[in-house]
Amino acid sequence: KAGVTQTPRYLIKTRGQQVTLSCSPISGHRSVSWYQQTPGQGLQFLFEYFSETQRNKGNFPGRFSGRQFSNSRSEMNVSTLELGDSALYLCASSFSPGMNTEAFFGQGTRLTVV
Amino acid sequence: AQSVTQPDIHITVSEGASLELRCNYSYGATPYLFWYVQSPGQGLQLLLKYFSGDTLVQGIKGFEAEFKRSQSSFNLRKPSVHWSDAAEYFCAVGKEYGNKLVFGAGTILRVKS
Repeated sequence: KAGVTQTPRYLIKTRGQQVTLSCSPISGHRSVSWYQQTPGQGLQFLFEYFSETQRNKGNFPGRFSGRQFSNSRSEMNVSTLELGDSALYLCASSFSPGMNTEAFFGQGTRLTVV
Repeated sequence: AQSVTQPDIHITVSEGASLELRCNYSYGATPYLFWYVQSPGQGLQLLLKYFSGDTLVQGIKGFEAEFKRSQSSFNLRKPSVHWSDAAEYFCAVGKEYGNKLVFGAGTILRVKS
């Protein structure tokens, strides 16, 4: 079956702009989580969605937001981009919330802010 | 709060040699523990996970890990490393409910021939 699909794979934006990243989970998976990966901070949890509801949120400013649609696809949005937002953004999907179900990661979206 | 420490940033081993990557965690209750591998430009792939039961866990690609509660450790091992194992390895801890994983800083494995 198809894996987790993240689009676009690469993105270059200017400071101050906003960006929307998309994640299509594995078919049948209803839980989607987002992570930011940077060389300095490593992998950090952004948020988690299940059944269109945000279930958990990490320690990020309000400029970072997300949503989930009825087909389980998820988007995350970053407004007023800063240079420090340059990162690999990873999406993970699982059948349901809970550590007893495996999370499958997409290849990520590489965001560069200039 | 949960935390994960991977003390080794880089490790170099010869092809065919054994490997052990260290991971220490901090978590109040019984942890859910994971090892993931990431190749350059790729996402994360789950190698193995520990929830409960047998403390020696077998994973994919010939990897295994041992949970030691007394040492708060979950070290990853492989008896014979292949050049294709060169990648970055992440240890992670999670709670039973929700999908929030806390990752260690990662260990970059280099394999020399």
